[in-house]
Amino acid sequence: GQQVMQIPQYQHVQEGEDFTTYCNSSTTLSNIQWYKQRPGGHPVFLIQLVKSGEVKKQKRLTFQFGEAKKNSSLHITATQTTDVGTYFCAGTAYSGAGSYQLTFGKGTKLSVIP
Amino acid sequence: ETGVTQTPRHLVMGMTNKKSLKCEQHLGHNAMYWYKQSAKKPLELMFVYNFKEQTENNSVPSRFSPECPNSSHLFLHLHTLQPEDSALYLCASSQFGPAGGSITGELFFGEGSRLTVL
Repeated sequence: GQQVMQIPQYQHVQEGEDFTTYCNSSTTLSNIQWYKQRPGGHPVFLIQLVKSGEVKKQKRLTFQFGEAKKNSSLHITATQTTDVGTYFCAGTAYSGAGSYQLTFGKGTKLSVIP
Repeated sequence: ETGVTQTPRHLVMGMTNKKSLKCEQHLGHNAMYWYKQSAKKPLELMFVYNFKEQTENNSVPSRFSPECPNSSHLFLHLHTLQPEDSALYLCASSQFGPAGGSITGELFFGEGSRLTVL
């Protein structure tokens, strides 16, 4: 079945440093989504990428979708304490018989040291 | 307020109890999901319902029994659970379900029900 691997599992950064999490799929994806879960909270949708090579920005966050549509990354510039949380990628792939399967990565837990 | 409401927020139960988790979505979505979140498996899909029909059961033990009476409500009935079932149970909804021939679009999660099995 489809597998989505996300690295690193944990990342500790000093406030102001940059942060990147990477997502790799075993199959070609139709789209990829990113979610953020604050400590004690629930996953909240950040963005969806659909096109090959697509790059989207949200303030200090930059999201990329690979040319082959099998990998993606989330980059945060100059981290702040408000960025603390776990970032999940979720890839959608066609699984046959008219069905699509959405698979979450295991997440990257970001800690920001003030 | 995410548009997806889960109750109860916290539940403690013994292994012989029977309890239910409830989820309600106010977004007009057609698909609803149950996910289990624990330290070992951060987001583990359990069940998917599309237009009230179960389209996915991810090899979940029979002690978890889902029910979807309509597109807005989803239940998870619990009985004879084990301590390892202690986790955060998240409900989510999306415009389309994965078996509907369309990409699901974004998932809206509820705040979760924190379950502790003693």
